[in-house]
Amino acid sequence: EVQLAESGGGLVQPGGSLRLSCVGSGFSISRSWMHWVRQVPGKGLTWVARVLSDGTTTNYADSVKGRFTISRDNAKNTVYLQMNTLRADDTAVYYCAREDIVLVPGSFAVWGQGTMATVSS
Amino acid sequence: DIQMTQSPSSLSASIGATVTITCQASQDIGKYLSWYQQKPGSAPKLLIHGASNLEAGVPSRFSGSGSGTNFTFTISSLQPEDFATYYCQQYENLYTFGQGTQLEIK
Repeated sequence: EVQLAESGGGLVQPGGSLRLSCVGSGFSISRSWMHWVRQVPGKGLTWVARVLSDGTTTNYADSVKGRFTISRDNAKNTVYLQMNTLRADDTAVYYCAREDIVLVPGSFAVWGQGTMATVSS
Repeated sequence: DIQMTQSPSSLSASIGATVTITCQASQDIGKYLSWYQQKPGSAPKLLIHGASNLEAGVPSRFSGSGSGTNFTFTISSLQPEDFATYYCQQYENLYTFGQGTQLEIK
C-alpha cells in the first residue's frame, strides 16, 4: 500500500525551529515531486513548498520563503521541511503529499496523516 | 499569484439531492484544476484532476467540468458519506486551493 507518514511536529516558541519528516512506503519517492501543504485547524488548505525529483529544484509559498527549506533523501525515501524563525501564524497541521508527475501531474493523490506544529510562548 | 474563488462557502442538502460547487480562477488556468474531499480529522482525498477526470476508485456520482477561469463540481444523488468539505486547487502556476465548501446534511 502506498503511504506517507509525517513526524516531527510539536510545540515551539516564536522564533524557534522545527524539522518535519515524511517517510514514504509502498513506493519510491525518487520519481515523484514531493510537497508540504498546511492547514490551520478549522481553516482551509495552503500549499507550502515542493521539491522536484532532482532534489535541487524547490519552490515556496511567499509566506514561508526564506524561512522554510524543503529537501529530500531518496535513499531514505524521506522528505523534510526545516522550519526556522517560526511565527504564531505558522501554527497548523502540516501534510506531506505526493505528486505523480506521470500519472496525475499537478494533483496530490497521496497524502500523509499530518503532523501538528504549534508556535506559542 | 493565481487566486481561486470557491462558492458557496457552505451549503446544506438532503440525501439523494444533487449539489454544485463553483470555482473561479483569477486568470486562465486551462484545465489545470483538481477537486478534493476532506472529512474531519482526515487528510484530503483527490477526486478529480484535469478539471473533469475522475480519480481511480472514485464513484461516478462525482463529476467536474469547465476550463479557463470557470469550473463546476457536481455530486449527484448525495450519499451520507459525501457530507464533507470540498476544495478546488489550481496547478497552472504552482498551486493554490480555494477556500473550501462545507457540505452539510439538511
